Amino acid sequence: ETGVTQTPRHLVMGMTNKKSLKCEQHLGHNAMYWYKQSAKKPLELMFVYSLEERVENNSVPSRFSPECPNSSHLFLHLHTLQPEDSALYLCASSNGLRVNTEAFFGQGTRLTVV
Amino acid sequence: AQTVTQSQPEMSVQEAETVTLSCTYDTSESDYYLFWYKQPPSRQMILVIRQEAYKQQNATENRFSVNFQKAAKSFSLKISDSQLGDAAMYFCGITDSWGKLQFGAGTQVVVTP
Repeated sequence: ETGVTQTPRHLVMGMTNKKSLKCEQHLGHNAMYWYKQSAKKPLELMFVYSLEERVENNSVPSRFSPECPNSSHLFLHLHTLQPEDSALYLCASSNGLRVNTEAFFGQGTRLTVV
Repeated sequence: AQTVTQSQPEMSVQEAETVTLSCTYDTSESDYYLFWYKQPPSRQMILVIRQEAYKQQNATENRFSVNFQKAAKSFSLKISDSQLGDAAMYFCGITDSWGKLQFGAGTQVVVTP
C-alpha cells in the first residue's frame, strides 16, 4: 500500500454527469491537497485542507467541489465538467503545513470528459 | 505568489552519463524550501531531494545533487551515473511559509542504454 490511495484510477464521464474522486491517506497526516496535472503545464494546486478546514482555493471553478470529512479522507466532487477539465488529478498529504513539509502523493485519477 | 519555471520539456541521457535539469523560480518569501520530485510511469510523485533556502551548501542524495544559486533564483538538479530507472518526469517545486507546494511544468528524462 502506497500510503495515499486514490480511486478510481481512471474515469470517463460525460459533461452532464456527476462523479466523485476519492483520496485516502494512511500516514496520520493532517493536511491534504488536490492538484490538477495537464500536459505541458505546471501542476495546478487546486485545494488545500489543514485539520479538515479548507485553507486554499486557487480560483477553481465551482464545478469542482472538495470535501474533507476527516483528516484521512478527501473527495473531489465533479459536476457539469468541460472537456478542458480532462487531466490527471493528484491527491497529496503532508504532516502539517510547514515550509519544509514533504508531500506524499497518490497515483492519481486520469479523468476524461467527453 | 510563487512561480516555478522549467524550460526543458525533455532531456535525453545515456546510461552512466550525467544530466542536469534546470529550474528557476520567483518568490517574495524569505523562508522557503525547494524540492525535486520524480514521477515515474506509475504516476506517483516521489521526493528526490530538497534544499532549504537558508542553507548555502548544496543538497546531495546519492547520485542526485542540486546547484542552488539563491541570487539567481536557480535550482538545478544533476543526476549522475544515470540508470534506466531514472527515466521519469521530474518536477521542481517550492513551498512558502504556509507549506503550500507549487510546481513547474516538469522535464521528461529519457535514459537510453
